[in-house]
Amino acid sequence: GNSVTQMEGPVTLSEEAFLTINCTYTATGYPSLFWYVQYPGEGLQLLLKATKADDKGSNKGFEATYRKETTSFHLEKGSVQVSDSAVYFCARNQAGTALIFGKGTTLSVSS
Amino acid sequence: DAGITQSPRHKVTETGTPVTLRCHQTENHRYMYWYRQDPGHGLRLIHYSYGVKDTDKGEVSDGYSVSRSKTEDFLLTLESATSSQTSVYFCAISEGDRSNTEAFFGQGTRLTVV
Repeated sequence: GNSVTQMEGPVTLSEEAFLTINCTYTATGYPSLFWYVQYPGEGLQLLLKATKADDKGSNKGFEATYRKETTSFHLEKGSVQVSDSAVYFCARNQAGTALIFGKGTTLSVSS
Repeated sequence: DAGITQSPRHKVTETGTPVTLRCHQTENHRYMYWYRQDPGHGLRLIHYSYGVKDTDKGEVSDGYSVSRSKTEDFLLTLESATSSQTSVYFCAISEGDRSNTEAFFGQGTRLTVV
């Protein structure tokens, strides 16, 4: 089937630590891939996206590379800040279907 | 911010009563979605619409119905609310059926069924 699996949290880090949140997907064909972020009490907002294999999406110091061979789209950031504390969702989309999300990973960064 | 308004933002209702949530957009986007967010489940698709009067079921559609009589409004109805429908409901919109178009989200509606 078509699904998205991301690592379970919570992820707890100290400020300036390196972040990785794993995400893998299953799909027929080649979906577009997204990372969304949800800050407390808010809706989701797009963090970054990649639309084809080997594309790298980046925004606000976060990066993710579309790896077709491993069907993965792992989120990374070299140095997290307290303000990055949020819930992060990996998602996939294909033409003619709706956006499908992973279960979300809660990140907590302490100073 | 994308022009998406959900109403109400909070609601408490009794088991067995009907409830309608409204999503209104000012972006003229073709696709509209209803998701529910629950701890441990992430966001699950309830129903979506790909045009006026064109809707389809999502992963968790049982107990929910939707209507889209005009481009800007997408209504989600719980015909007879149950406690299992206590959740946070998000509306989202996207521009078209190209797979690389991002979805924009509303602020959510927190529904409690007692």
